[in-house]
Amino acid sequence: DTGVSQNPRHKITKRGQNVTFRCDPISEHNRLYWYRQTLGQGPEFLTYFQNEAQLEKSRLLSDRFSAERPKGSFSTLEIQRTEQGDSAMYLCASSLSSAGREQYFGPGTRLTVT
Amino acid sequence: AQTVTQSQPEMSVQEAETVTLSCTYDTSESDYYLFWYKQPPSRQMILVIRQEAYKQQNATENRFSVNFQKAAKSFSLKISDSQLGDAAMYFCAYFSSSGSARQLTFGSGTQLTVLP
Repeated sequence: DTGVSQNPRHKITKRGQNVTFRCDPISEHNRLYWYRQTLGQGPEFLTYFQNEAQLEKSRLLSDRFSAERPKGSFSTLEIQRTEQGDSAMYLCASSLSSAGREQYFGPGTRLTVT
Repeated sequence: AQTVTQSQPEMSVQEAETVTLSCTYDTSESDYYLFWYKQPPSRQMILVIRQEAYKQQNATENRFSVNFQKAAKSFSLKISDSQLGDAAMYFCAYFSSSGSARQLTFGSGTQLTVLP
Protein backbone atom coordinates (compact mmCIF):
# COMPACT_ATOMS: atom_id res chain seq x y z
CA ASP A 1 0.00 0.00 0.00
CA THR A 2 1.68 3.20 -1.14
CA GLY A 3 0.43 6.31 0.55
CA VAL A 4 1.33 9.91 -0.19
CA SER A 5 5.07 10.44 -0.21
CA GLN A 6 7.02 13.66 0.04
CA ASN A 7 10.67 14.47 -0.55
CA PRO A 8 12.81 15.66 1.00
CA ARG A 9 11.59 15.18 4.56
CA HIS A 10 13.80 17.97 5.83
CA LYS A 11 15.39 20.92 4.09
CA ILE A 12 17.67 23.56 5.58
CA THR A 13 18.46 26.48 3.36
CA LYS A 14 19.90 29.94 3.60
CA ARG A 15 17.73 32.97 3.14
CA GLY A 16 17.49 33.97 -0.50
CA GLN A 17 17.98 30.48 -1.89
CA ASN A 18 15.39 28.60 -3.95
CA VAL A 19 13.96 25.29 -2.80
CA THR A 20 11.76 22.68 -4.46
CA PHE A 21 9.66 20.00 -2.80
CA ARG A 22 8.09 16.98 -4.42
CA CYS A 23 4.85 15.16 -3.64
CA ASP A 24 3.77 11.79 -5.03
CA PRO A 25 0.06 11.24 -4.41
CA ILE A 26 -1.83 7.97 -4.15
CA SER A 27 -1.91 6.76 -7.73
CA GLU A 28 -5.64 6.81 -8.39
CA HIS A 29 -6.23 10.18 -6.72
CA ASN A 30 -6.85 13.01 -9.15
CA ARG A 31 -6.89 15.83 -6.58
CA LEU A 32 -3.70 17.05 -4.97
CA TYR A 33 -3.40 19.71 -2.29
CA TRP A 34 -0.57 21.67 -0.70
CA TYR A 35 -0.85 23.02 2.85
CA ARG A 36 1.54 24.87 5.13
CA GLN A 37 1.69 24.21 8.86
CA THR A 38 3.56 26.27 11.41
CA LEU A 39 4.34 24.98 14.88
CA GLY A 40 1.27 24.58 17.07
CA GLN A 41 -1.16 25.55 14.34
CA GLY A 42 -3.47 23.75 11.97
CA PRO A 43 -2.53 23.38 8.32
CA GLU A 44 -3.37 26.29 6.03
CA PHE A 45 -4.36 25.73 2.43
CA LEU A 46 -1.96 26.88 -0.27
CA THR A 47 -3.19 25.43 -3.56
CA TYR A 48 -4.89 22.47 -5.20
CA PHE A 49 -4.87 20.59 -8.48
CA GLN A 50 -7.49 18.54 -10.24
CA ASN A 51 -5.41 16.34 -12.50
CA GLU A 52 -2.86 18.72 -14.07
CA ALA A 53 -4.97 21.87 -13.68
CA GLN A 54 -4.23 24.21 -10.78
CA LEU A 55 -7.77 25.25 -9.82
CA GLU A 56 -7.30 27.32 -6.71
CA LYS A 57 -4.57 29.31 -4.99
CA SER A 58 -4.62 30.85 -1.53
CA ARG A 59 -3.65 34.44 -0.80
CA LEU A 60 -0.83 32.84 1.22
CA LEU A 61 0.74 31.77 -2.04
CA SER A 62 2.83 34.81 -2.87
CA ASP A 63 4.48 35.26 -6.25
CA ARG A 64 7.61 33.60 -4.82
CA PHE A 65 5.69 30.33 -4.65
CA SER A 66 4.88 28.21 -7.67
CA ALA A 67 3.39 24.75 -7.94
CA GLU A 68 3.08 22.37 -10.83
CA ARG A 69 1.57 19.00 -11.48
CA PRO A 70 2.72 17.90 -14.92
CA LYS A 71 0.69 15.08 -16.45
CA GLY A 72 -1.50 14.98 -13.37
CA SER A 73 0.85 12.76 -11.44
CA PHE A 74 3.45 14.05 -8.96
CA SER A 75 3.57 17.70 -7.96
CA THR A 76 6.34 20.13 -7.12
CA LEU A 77 6.22 23.22 -4.94
CA GLU A 78 8.99 25.75 -5.47
CA ILE A 79 9.80 28.67 -3.22
CA GLN A 80 12.07 31.31 -4.70
CA ARG A 81 14.18 33.73 -2.66
CA THR A 82 13.28 32.05 0.61
CA GLU A 83 12.63 34.16 3.69
CA GLN A 84 12.78 33.18 7.35
CA GLY A 85 9.00 33.40 7.48
CA ASP A 86 8.81 30.54 5.02
CA SER A 87 10.08 28.16 7.70
CA ALA A 88 7.25 25.66 8.22
CA MET A 89 6.08 22.13 7.50
CA TYR A 90 4.76 21.78 3.96
CA LEU A 91 2.12 19.09 3.70
CA CYS A 92 0.79 17.43 0.59
CA ALA A 93 -2.51 15.58 0.46
CA SER A 94 -4.44 13.75 -2.21
CA SER A 95 -8.00 12.59 -2.68
CA LEU A 96 -10.53 11.34 -5.14
CA SER A 97 -12.66 14.02 -6.71
CA SER A 98 -16.02 13.04 -5.22
CA ALA A 99 -17.34 15.66 -2.86
CA GLY A 100 -16.27 15.22 0.72
CA ARG A 101 -13.81 12.46 0.06
CA GLU A 102 -11.06 12.07 2.61
CA GLN A 103 -7.75 13.74 1.99
CA TYR A 104 -4.77 11.52 2.67
CA PHE A 105 -1.73 13.36 3.89
CA GLY A 106 1.94 12.78 3.33
CA PRO A 107 4.58 13.03 6.07
CA GLY A 108 5.47 16.59 5.10
CA THR A 109 8.66 18.45 4.29
CA ARG A 110 10.06 20.54 7.11
CA LEU A 111 11.73 23.67 5.79
CA THR A 112 14.11 25.69 7.91
CA VAL A 113 15.39 28.97 6.49
CA THR A 114 18.48 30.31 8.25
CA ALA B 1 -15.41 32.31 4.56
CA GLN B 2 -15.67 29.37 6.88
CA THR B 3 -13.88 29.31 10.21
CA VAL B 4 -13.21 26.45 12.59
CA THR B 5 -12.57 27.02 16.29
CA GLN B 6 -11.07 24.59 18.78
CA SER B 7 -11.17 26.29 22.17
CA GLN B 8 -9.17 23.66 24.07
CA PRO B 9 -5.46 23.97 23.24
CA GLU B 10 -4.64 21.07 25.59
CA MET B 11 -6.55 18.23 27.16
CA SER B 12 -5.51 15.24 29.24
CA VAL B 13 -7.23 11.98 30.02
CA GLN B 14 -6.46 8.97 32.13
CA GLU B 15 -5.87 5.76 30.25
CA ALA B 16 -9.14 3.81 29.77
CA GLU B 17 -11.24 6.89 30.50
CA THR B 18 -13.35 8.95 28.10
CA VAL B 19 -12.52 12.40 26.79
CA THR B 20 -14.42 14.86 24.60
CA LEU B 21 -12.73 17.38 22.33
CA SER B 22 -14.73 20.43 21.26
CA CYS B 23 -15.06 22.07 17.87
CA THR B 24 -17.31 24.81 16.57
CA TYR B 25 -17.49 26.20 13.07
CA ASP B 26 -19.04 29.07 11.24
CA THR B 27 -20.61 28.71 7.83
CA SER B 28 -23.57 29.92 5.82
CA GLU B 29 -23.67 26.73 3.78
CA SER B 30 -26.07 23.87 4.37
CA ASP B 31 -24.10 21.13 2.67
CA TYR B 32 -20.62 20.32 3.92
CA TYR B 33 -18.43 17.69 5.54
CA LEU B 34 -16.65 17.71 8.86
CA PHE B 35 -13.58 15.73 9.80
CA TRP B 36 -11.40 14.96 12.77
CA TYR B 37 -7.76 14.34 11.96
CA LYS B 38 -5.08 13.07 14.33
CA GLN B 39 -1.46 14.13 14.09
CA PRO B 40 0.86 12.03 16.28
CA PRO B 41 4.35 13.22 17.17
CA SER B 42 5.66 11.69 13.90
CA ARG B 43 3.45 14.40 12.32
CA GLN B 44 1.69 12.42 9.59
CA MET B 45 -1.96 13.48 9.61
CA ILE B 46 -4.40 10.57 9.90
CA LEU B 47 -8.16 10.70 9.36
CA VAL B 48 -10.08 9.70 12.49
CA ILE B 49 -13.72 10.21 11.53
CA ARG B 50 -15.91 11.93 8.94
CA GLN B 51 -19.43 13.38 9.15
CA GLU B 52 -21.71 14.48 6.32
CA ALA B 53 -23.80 17.49 7.30
CA TYR B 54 -26.94 16.10 5.67
CA LYS B 55 -26.86 13.03 7.89
CA GLN B 56 -28.53 13.36 11.27
CA GLN B 57 -26.92 10.22 12.62
CA ASN B 58 -23.64 10.81 14.40
CA ALA B 59 -20.65 9.01 12.90
CA THR B 60 -18.82 6.36 14.90
CA GLU B 61 -15.56 4.52 14.29
CA ASN B 62 -14.78 1.97 16.97
CA ARG B 63 -13.81 3.96 20.08
CA PHE B 64 -14.30 7.31 18.32
CA SER B 65 -17.67 9.00 17.95
CA VAL B 66 -18.91 12.49 17.25
CA ASN B 67 -21.69 14.67 18.57
CA PHE B 68 -22.80 16.70 15.57
CA GLN B 69 -25.17 19.56 16.37
CA LYS B 70 -25.87 21.26 13.04
CA ALA B 71 -28.01 24.10 14.39
CA ALA B 72 -25.41 24.92 17.01
CA LYS B 73 -22.57 24.41 14.49
CA SER B 74 -20.83 22.13 16.94
CA PHE B 75 -18.85 18.97 16.18
CA SER B 76 -17.23 17.34 19.19
CA LEU B 77 -15.14 14.17 19.23
CA LYS B 78 -15.53 11.58 21.98
CA ILE B 79 -12.75 9.07 22.56
CA SER B 80 -13.79 6.15 24.72
CA ASP B 81 -11.44 3.76 26.53
CA SER B 82 -8.49 6.07 25.83
CA GLN B 83 -5.21 4.39 24.96
CA LEU B 84 -1.65 5.65 25.16
CA GLY B 85 -1.54 5.60 21.36
CA ASP B 86 -4.33 8.17 21.23
CA ALA B 87 -1.92 10.85 22.42
CA ALA B 88 -1.61 13.33 19.57
CA MET B 89 -2.70 16.69 18.24
CA TYR B 90 -6.30 16.52 17.06
CA PHE B 91 -7.61 18.83 14.36
CA CYS B 92 -11.19 19.53 13.43
CA ALA B 93 -11.67 20.39 9.75
CA TYR B 94 -14.43 21.67 7.47
CA PHE B 95 -14.91 20.89 3.77
CA SER B 96 -17.45 22.67 1.60
CA SER B 97 -19.30 20.51 -0.88
CA SER B 98 -21.26 23.26 -2.56
CA GLY B 99 -18.93 26.21 -2.87
CA SER B 100 -16.00 26.71 -5.16
CA ALA B 101 -13.47 26.11 -2.40
CA ARG B 102 -12.17 22.58 -2.33
CA GLN B 103 -9.76 22.77 0.55
CA LEU B 104 -10.01 21.69 4.16
CA THR B 105 -10.25 24.51 6.70
CA PHE B 106 -8.63 23.43 9.95
CA GLY B 107 -8.95 24.55 13.53
CA SER B 108 -5.89 25.30 15.61
CA GLY B 109 -5.85 21.88 17.22
CA THR B 110 -6.12 20.26 20.65
CA GLN B 111 -3.09 18.52 22.12
CA LEU B 112 -4.29 15.36 23.86
CA THR B 113 -2.17 13.75 26.55
CA VAL B 114 -3.04 10.27 27.78
CA LEU B 115 -1.87 9.57 31.32
CA PRO B 116 -0.97 5.99 32.28
